[in-house]
Parts: sequence; C-alpha cells; structure tokens
Amino acid sequence: KQEVTQIPAALSVPEGENLVLNCSFTDSAIYNLQWFRQDPGKGLTSLLLIQSSQREQTSGRLNASLDKSSGRSTLYIAASQPGDSATYLCAVVIQGAQKLVFGQGTRLTINP
Amino acid sequence: GAVVSQHPSWVICKSGTSVKIECRSLDFQATTMFWYRQFPKQSLMLMATSNEGSKATYEQGVEKDKFLINHASLTLSTLTVTSAHPEDSSFYICSARRLAGASYNEQFFGPGTRLTVL
Repeated sequence: KQEVTQIPAALSVPEGENLVLNCSFTDSAIYNLQWFRQDPGKGLTSLLLIQSSQREQTSGRLNASLDKSSGRSTLYIAASQPGDSATYLCAVVIQGAQKLVFGQGTRLTINP
Repeated sequence: GAVVSQHPSWVICKSGTSVKIECRSLDFQATTMFWYRQFPKQSLMLMATSNEGSKATYEQGVEKDKFLINHASLTLSTLTVTSAHPEDSSFYICSARRLAGASYNEQFFGPGTRLTVL
C-alpha cells in the first residue's frame, strides 16, 4: 500500500527566506507526482506536476524535484512571501491506478 | 484553462434530507472525476472515482447507497448525500483529470463545498 509522508508538518519562517518542503513515498512505481497548495476553507490549487520520467519542474519561484528510486520529492520555494502562507500537499498517482494518494501536508507560515 | 467549479459552495440542511453537489470541468473534458472528503486540519480522503457513462468506484468503507455519484457527461459529475446526518458534515472536494494537452493526466480541483447538517 502506497503511503505518502510530508515533513515537517508545520513550518514558520521569516519573509525572504528560501525553504524546502519534503515528501516521501513508499512505492517507487508511480505514474506522476503533484504538489498542491490549499488555503484555509478552499479547494486545492495545482502547483507543479512531475511525470515519472522527469527529474524536476519549475514555475516561477517554485521548483519541485523527483527522485523516484529513493521515493522522495522536494518543493523549493525561493524568496518566500507572506502570500505563500498555506498548506502544501504532495500526492502521487500509482502506476495502474487513477487515484491520487495524498500526504498529510505541511502548514507553512511566512512571517512579515 | 483547466478550471473546475463546484456548486453550491456551502449548504446547510436538516437531518434526513438529501443534498446534491455538482462538479463541472469548465474548459476541458474529463472522463474521470474524483470525490474527496476533508475533515478539519486533515488531508483529503478519496471517497470514489467517477467515470463518465459507467458506475462509480467507491473506496473501502464508503457507503455507495448513501453517497450517490452520477457522471452523465464529460463535464459534469454529481454527488448526492442521501438522508444526511450531522456526521456527514464535512468539506467535499471534487477533482477532474485532464487527459489532453501539456498537463496530461494532471488533476484539477474544485473550490469545495461545505456541508453542514443540523
């Protein structure tokens, strides 16, 4: 059974810092991995999608890497801003399945 | 592009009534949509996978007779909570899987529906 773990569960940093969020999964046979952002009381916003054949994806200040063999992904946020405060979720799609398996999320707070 | 809407955004109902939630992909076709439930400060729990033109696939422990899913077109899936009770109060979120374009197989999520059963 695929399990996804996110560390840390919560993170608070001052504005302007670069930071890394971690995601690990137990079964390396994944189809793809997605990083999402969720604001309180809202749905999920897709940030980055990494296909299993890719090593990383970049969008603006965000960079996500994928190491399938070690079952790890990281989300790097450069020059953090208060507007980045949210819960960040990673999720994987298992090969042969359609559904996403989510981690528990990292609650990020950027202090002005 | 890749916008998913949900309606209503929030609903309050009396115990014993049924509530229907709609999920629409606005600018792409989705043969597969997913329904999730989220409790406060917890991650998303997949309830069922909705396939256009066929029966939904429910996750273990989810009552299919209580949570009716219909996926009648390539842009619309509905979740009906039948005979709702207070323990059904939750945040329900749908997603749609995009099968074409640059973001192949990416899932896009709706804004969620807050259900409160009195």
